[in-house]
Amino acid sequence: DQQVKQNSPSLSVQEGRISILNCDYTNSMFDYFLWYKKYPAEGPTFLISISSIKDKNEDGRFTVFLNKSAKHLSLHIVPSQPGDSAVYFCAAALYGGATNKLIFGTGTLLAVQP
Amino acid sequence: DAGVIQSPRHEVTEMGQEVTLRCKPISGHDYLFWYRQTMMRGLELLIYFNNNVPIDDSGMPEDRFSAKMPNASFSTLKIQPSEPRDSAVYFCASSPPGLARDTQYFGPGTRLTVL
Repeated sequence: DQQVKQNSPSLSVQEGRISILNCDYTNSMFDYFLWYKKYPAEGPTFLISISSIKDKNEDGRFTVFLNKSAKHLSLHIVPSQPGDSAVYFCAAALYGGATNKLIFGTGTLLAVQP
Repeated sequence: DAGVIQSPRHEVTEMGQEVTLRCKPISGHDYLFWYRQTMMRGLELLIYFNNNVPIDDSGMPEDRFSAKMPNASFSTLKIQPSEPRDSAVYFCASSPPGLARDTQYFGPGTRLTVL
């Protein structure tokens, strides 16, 4: 039972255009959300995060939007660059007591065409 | 500063054999996580440790899987006996004291193939 879902396995965009990656979650108790980026043959690396008390967080070319009522978040990359080509994982954090773990989605492969 | 170290990077074995994956976390980190990546399920958390103590092993698929952390600088994930459906990339990650929100550092992974 996937609590964090990324329904698009892949996405292709042109260099310079906007990339929008989507993520849906089912558990309303999640209070923190993250995006990780993964290149081939490497481990995932943290990209950007957002607390459930906010609806937007921006870091350079990357912006994450959170819609709690829809249980949906998205990552916007603008402008997209060929070096952004990677797998992007959405993750949600569930904290309470000693719990300290992330629930990841299945990932979306982004290909930015030159 | 060395990151999370995993060995081996690739492992090919035959069904029924024992497989041991190894991880050295970043020095000073007191959380250690084991994940498995597959196309169908993405990144699944198998187990995590805090100060060498297993905290949550609810993601361990079955009794064939076991994990240990004998000291702060070493952990193993063992599969015995291995099956073809265990083929996946296994990641180890570590994080410093406090909430592991933005600070999970992943190793490069071990690609396991069970024939």
